[in-house]
Amino acid sequence: AQSVTQLGSHVSVSEGALVLLRCNYSSSVPPYLFWYVQYPNQGLQLLLKYTTGATLVKGINGFEAEFKKSETSFHLTKPSAHMSDAAEYFCAVSEGSTGTASKLTFGTGTRLQVTL
Amino acid sequence: DTEVTQTPKHLVMGMTNKKSLKCEQHMGHRAMYWYKQKAKKPPELMFVYSYEKLSINESVPSRFSPECPNSSLLNLHLHALQPEDSALYLCASSQGQGAWSNQPQHFGDGTRLSIL
Repeated sequence: AQSVTQLGSHVSVSEGALVLLRCNYSSSVPPYLFWYVQYPNQGLQLLLKYTTGATLVKGINGFEAEFKKSETSFHLTKPSAHMSDAAEYFCAVSEGSTGTASKLTFGTGTRLQVTL
Repeated sequence: DTEVTQTPKHLVMGMTNKKSLKCEQHMGHRAMYWYKQKAKKPPELMFVYSYEKLSINESVPSRFSPECPNSSLLNLHLHALQPEDSALYLCASSQGQGAWSNQPQHFGDGTRLSIL
């Protein structure tokens, strides 16, 4: 079974500061990894994904994440936080094999607060 | 704008009522999902449809009954719900199963359900 751990249920940064949201995964097979963002009263929006290939993945809104197999990590970063980045962020790993449907295993989420 | 449309956005119902949630996508995706999300928690998978057939049922109580009339539509029929069923119900779609499990899921904005 696959699992995801997000360290820090709540992260607060100042506007313009670096954003770092941590995600570690456990998987018995090469993982497919995703970061989603959820704004209040909305669904989940895909920020970025890692499947194969380049380990540094760029996403929307200036976010990026680096897949580090040796550390089983997929941390999300953004060089300069904006007030509009305040939201809930979920890291997820995809579990699927031939003949089965894709299942996402989510982390518990990290709420990002951005202050002036 | 989300590409997965859910209606209604809000629903209040009594424990003896029968209602349905609707989800629609026109991206040609062949896998569709229902999730339940409680406040400050990650989404919990309920059902997965793959090529209009029920692929996964995560031991959901029978008072929730999914239906996939065609490749674009997904319904969730509700009957005799309990107060603890109050939650945000999210629909998602993705390109498919198995080899496609590296494809991300696209989420709607959800239906906020309140059981009186």
